[in-house]
Formats: sequence, structure tokens, C-alpha cells
Amino acid sequence: GESVGLHLPTLSVQEGDNSIINCAYSNSASDYFIWYKQESGKGPQFIIDIRSNMDKRQGQRVTVLLNKTVKHLSLQIAATQPGDSAVYFCAENLGSNYQLIWGAGTKLIIKP
Amino acid sequence: DSGVTQTPKHLITATGQRVTLRCSPRSGDLSVYWYQQSLDQGLQFLIQYYNGEERAKGNILERFSAQQFPDLHSELNLSSLELGDSALYFCASSVGRGQANYGYTFGSGTRLTVV
Repeated sequence: GESVGLHLPTLSVQEGDNSIINCAYSNSASDYFIWYKQESGKGPQFIIDIRSNMDKRQGQRVTVLLNKTVKHLSLQIAATQPGDSAVYFCAENLGSNYQLIWGAGTKLIIKP
Repeated sequence: DSGVTQTPKHLITATGQRVTLRCSPRSGDLSVYWYQQSLDQGLQFLIQYYNGEERAKGNILERFSAQQFPDLHSELNLSSLELGDSALYFCASSVGRGQANYGYTFGSGTRLTVV
């Protein structure tokens, strides 16, 4: 079936730099997208979401961009900090069963 | 505290045994989802319940079963356990039908080790 995929399984960035985590989705009917952060040994936590009628949404130090033309989603983290080390999952919602389709995850490593 | 409670946090058991994992959803949430996560892997969707009824099934083995009770808590039963069943099992909840926010709230998980 269709699923959300990630381009990079691991991303290493220097502390203080900006991080960009990418996600490709295949279902053009998806109308809602979410980014989750999962720290080691913990459950995923909601970071930010975006609806398909938007191109960009900003939170605190995070920005999600949605490009529906190429079915691409990205999460930008500004001024990356050690506490940002985690696995980041994107997920899409197809609307029928309120069930999220999950990407494989990207592990973000912060270099001091 | 996310509001989703999972017990136990850790479980060690032998192959061939049966265990039950419990989840209490966040207050007001009607949907419960179960996920399996093996080491350094993604989230594998197992099953969803909405207000006591099964709504969707994912890659759930026949040895596994679940139910959601009238008070909305849910249990995941794993039987004839194999070494490969060792994983983190997460429960998530959401308000469900008719809501604008489709996000899930996750519990902290149950770490199952089969020896």
C-alpha cells in the first residue's frame, strides 16, 4: 500500500546549525500531515502539523513546509540544540479511519 | 505526562508464554491504536479501536489480539511468544471521529523482552 517515506535515515548536524528533515508521501488524497519527535525510550511526541490547504506553518524553532506538487514534506529546526537529538517521524492522514500512515523515521544526531 | 497510561513499563517473559499489555487512553479520547516498534525501527501499526469496536487492522499477527472495554481502556494480548516479539509496544489515543485534529497522543510504551 501507499506509505510515507523519508529520504535520509540519519542526519548529523552541528549544534547551532539549522536542520532539515525531509519526507516524501505518495498519496495525493492525504489532507493532514504531522511531525513527531521520539526521544530514546519514549513515545513519539507531537511537534507540528499542517493541513493540505497550507504551504507552510511555523512553530517555536520549527517550520513545516508542504509541497503538494511534488508530494514533499519537510521539517526545519532552527539553531539545533542537543535536546533535538531524536528520531523524527512524519505521518500522513488519509481521512477515512483517522489512521495515520507513518514514515520510516530519521535519526537526528547533533555534533558538539 | 501525556495522559495515555500504559502498564507495565517493562515485561520479561519466556518463549511460548502469553502476556497482556494495558492502555488507558487520554480522557475524552475514543480511539486507541496499538503499535509495535522493534529496536531502531519505525512504528508498525497493529490495530485500532474506536469506542469499543475494531476500526482498522494493520500487520497484527494471529497470535496477537486486542479489545477495548466499555470504559475505553484497551488490552493487547500476545500469545505463544517468540524471541522476535521482543519490542516496544506503544498505545496511542485520539479523539476520533469528527475531530479537526487527527493527531495521536502516545503513551510511554511497554518494553517486552522475550527470553
